[in-house]
Amino acid sequence: QSALTQPRSVSGSPGQSVTISCTGTSSDIGGYNFVSWYQQHPGKAPKFIIYDATKRPSGVPDRFSGSKSGNTASLTISGLQAEDEADYYCCSFAGSYSLVFGGGTKLTVL
Amino acid sequence: EVQLVESGGGLVQPGGSRRLSCAASGFTFSNSWMGWVRQAPGKGLEWVAHIDQGGSARYYVDSVKGRFTISRDNAKTSVYLQMNSLRADDTAVYYCATVGSNWSKLESWGQGTLVTVSS
Repeated sequence: QSALTQPRSVSGSPGQSVTISCTGTSSDIGGYNFVSWYQQHPGKAPKFIIYDATKRPSGVPDRFSGSKSGNTASLTISGLQAEDEADYYCCSFAGSYSLVFGGGTKLTVL
Repeated sequence: EVQLVESGGGLVQPGGSRRLSCAASGFTFSNSWMGWVRQAPGKGLEWVAHIDQGGSARYYVDSVKGRFTISRDNAKTSVYLQMNSLRADDTAVYYCATVGSNWSKLESWGQGTLVTVSS
């Protein structure tokens, strides 16, 4: 199972919005709504921030939103804050009882 | 509050074995699927294995099939990863995680334990 494709890096200024894409295939993202996103600060464990492509767990700010169209899922962070600077990973169920992650995107807040 | 604490990492020679443990608290462990995810140094996340609530259904990424075994002890609220025939490319931080209502919902994570495979 191949990793999902994410841009290696994105950047934005405080207050702006950024979108991180995650491209897969009809065997993973396109075949299921089981897409999740994780935020990871350096040296820390990942944190679960989006599930089922568009839903936010309790406690996650509504600045974080997810969407999906066809084989591509996206994470949008609006009203960027300094603490949003981190690595972001998408993840999808890939059928046949397997999970696949994206390669990760480094978000820099300028 | 959910707490997951991994242990068992360390330096292992190629071809060797290691058993990781993850002690869970703060939730009904016996009702939850559990999983292991790893991260090689400077690299991205990679799913390793999942196990169902009773321990009878176990699933693995292809690269560890036949070498790693996930198991659990509900009485001890712990999940384990037995790793055999270790290779250099198994070097990673290994995280355990709770699995929610679908497979990709890795809701709570431990702090991770580093396994280094080197001679």
